[in-house]
Amino acid sequence: EAQVTQNPRYLITVTGKKLTVTCSQNMNHEYMSWYRQDPGLGLRQIYYSMNVEVTDKGDVPEGYKVSRKEKRNFPLILESPSPNQTSLYFCASSLLGASNTGELFFGEGSRLTVL
Amino acid sequence: AQKITQTQPGMFVQEKEAVTLDCTYDTSDPSYGLFWYKQPSSGEMIFLIYQGSYDQQNATEGRYSLNFQKARKSANLVISASQLGDSAMYFCAMREGYPSDGALIFGKGTTLSVSS
Repeated sequence: EAQVTQNPRYLITVTGKKLTVTCSQNMNHEYMSWYRQDPGLGLRQIYYSMNVEVTDKGDVPEGYKVSRKEKRNFPLILESPSPNQTSLYFCASSLLGASNTGELFFGEGSRLTVL
Repeated sequence: AQKITQTQPGMFVQEKEAVTLDCTYDTSDPSYGLFWYKQPSSGEMIFLIYQGSYDQQNATEGRYSLNFQKARKSANLVISASQLGDSAMYFCAMREGYPSDGALIFGKGTTLSVSS
C-alpha cells in the first residue's frame, strides 16, 4: 500500500530533550516536506526537500533540523524542544516533474507536546 | 504577504445545499497548481481536487468543483449537495513552478459545518 508513515504518532516530552520524528514513504517520491499545524494558523511549512541531499527552509524552520540521506526517509529533528513547538506535525511527499500534478500525500500526523 | 488567503474562518450549511469556500492566491509565476484538501476531525489530510494554471476547464471531482477565475486569482471550492460527512476543515493550497517544482503553501483553512 502506498503510504507516508510517521512515528511517533503521539509524544509528550520535556523542554530540552532531543527528539526525532521519523518519516518514510514507499512511493519513490522526490519531494518531501514537513508542516506544523496550529489552531488559526493553518499548515506552515518547516522544511522541504526536492531530492536526496537537497533541503530548503520553509516558513518556520527555527528550532528544527532535517536530513535527506535516502530518498524514502526525511526525519525531523528537534535538538532542544521548547513549549512553543507543541503542535501537530505532518510529513508529506509528492512526485515532481511535467507529468505530475504535484499532489501531496500526507502521513497521519504526529501530535507533539513539549512540557 | 500571504500567498493563499481563505477569508472565511467558518461556514455553515444545511444538508443538500451547495456551499462555496473562498480562496484567493498571489503569484507572479505563470505556472502553478492549486489544490484543495479536507481535514476531518480525525485529523488526516484528504486530497480533493487539483487545478493547473494552464487548464482551460474548471476541475471537477464528483460533488467537488473548483471555480477557477485566473484574472481574479481565485480558486473557490464548490461542494454541491452537502452531506453531514462534509463537516471538516478545508484547506486551499498552491504550488508554484511548472508544473510541480516548488513548495506547496497552504491557507489558514475554513471550517465547514453541515447541519441536518
